[in-house]
Order: sequence, then C-alpha cells, then structure tokens
Amino acid sequence: AQKITQTQPGMFVQEKEAVTLDCTYDTSDPSYGLFWYKQPSSGEMIFLIYQGSYDQQNATEGRYSLNFQKARKSANLVISASQLGDSAMYFCAMGRKGDKIIFGKGTRLHILP
Amino acid sequence: GAVVSQHPSWVICKSGTSVKIECRSLDFQATTMFWYRQFPKQSLMLMATSNEGSKATYEQGVEKDKFLINHASLTLSTLTVTSAHPEDSSFYICSARGTGDDSPLHFGNGTRLTVT
Repeated sequence: AQKITQTQPGMFVQEKEAVTLDCTYDTSDPSYGLFWYKQPSSGEMIFLIYQGSYDQQNATEGRYSLNFQKARKSANLVISASQLGDSAMYFCAMGRKGDKIIFGKGTRLHILP
Repeated sequence: GAVVSQHPSWVICKSGTSVKIECRSLDFQATTMFWYRQFPKQSLMLMATSNEGSKATYEQGVEKDKFLINHASLTLSTLTVTSAHPEDSSFYICSARGTGDDSPLHFGNGTRLTVT
C-alpha cells in the first residue's frame, strides 16, 4: 500500500524567506511519481511540481524545487523567496504512472508580511 | 492546455434529492477520471476511478449505489449523489490525467455540496 506523510500541519514564514515543506512516502512500487499541489482558500488545486522516481536530478519549476531523497523516501518542497500569495494549503501526493494519486494531509502555509 | 471544467461550482439541495456533478476535459481526452471528496480542513480522499466505457472502480468504504459515476465519453464523467443527506455535504473535486504516463492530475475547480 502507498502512504504519504506530511508532519507539519501549519507553518508561519516571514515574507521573502525560503520555506521547506516536508513530505515522506512509502511504497513498494519500483516506479512512481511524486507531486506537489497548492490549494488556496478558493479551493482549486494547482499543480506545482513533479518528480519521477527514476529521475536523476531534483525537479525545479521557477521558485519551486523538490528535494528528492529516494533512500530516505522523502520529497520535500522548497519555495524560495516566499511571497504573500504563497499562503495556502500544500499537498504532497504520489502515484504510479498513469494511475490514481493519493494525497497527504497537507500543510497550511502562512506567509507573514 | 489540460483544462478540466467542473459544474456546478456549488449546489444546495434538500435531503432526499439527487445531485449530478459534471466533469469535462476541455482540451484533451481523458480515458480515466478521478473523483475526490474533501471535508473542511482535511485532505482529498479518493472516492473512485472513472473509466470511459466501463464501470467505475470504487475505493474501499465508498458506497457505489450512493455515488453513481458515469463516464460516457472521453471528455465527460458525472458523479450523482443519490438520496443526499446532510452528511454528504462536502467539497467534491474531479480530476483527469493528461496524456503521458508522467502527467499530473489536472483538477476541476470543485463542487461545494450542501444538503439541508
């Protein structure tokens, strides 16, 4: 069975600072994908970044980067130079290729001015 | 690209009535769509996998007779909450995988259902 764990229910970060959101996972599948999504208060799910289990390099998308440590089964999201608009709920997710995706419990990020 | 449209965005219905929620992939074909449910301040829980032209696959604990899923075409899946009760009030959100095995889920904007 697959499992996603996000241990930080909430975080407060000063604007312009970098922030790391933790995510660990468990799976017996040799091939899988890891995803991060942002959910603002309006409710929509916004895809941020993807990391494949066989990808050699950590994924980056603008201010987002994924710190993938396969041996530790962790896939932390790093947001550089945080902005007020980054305040939202963040979900780590995992799924096999082409298959359903399961989500962690999420971390609520608050960016302070 | 990869836009998913969900309708309605919110609905209020009386207990005992049925509500249909539509999920459309606008610019791509989705042989598989996924329906999630989210309670306030909680995570997304997968309800079922909707397969075009075949029966949906429900997750453990989800009543298939309560939550009817129909995936009649490559761009449309519907979720019908039958005989709705107040405990069915929730945020329902659909999603579809884009083309390619590594593509992420693209989500609709969700439907907030309130059963009075």
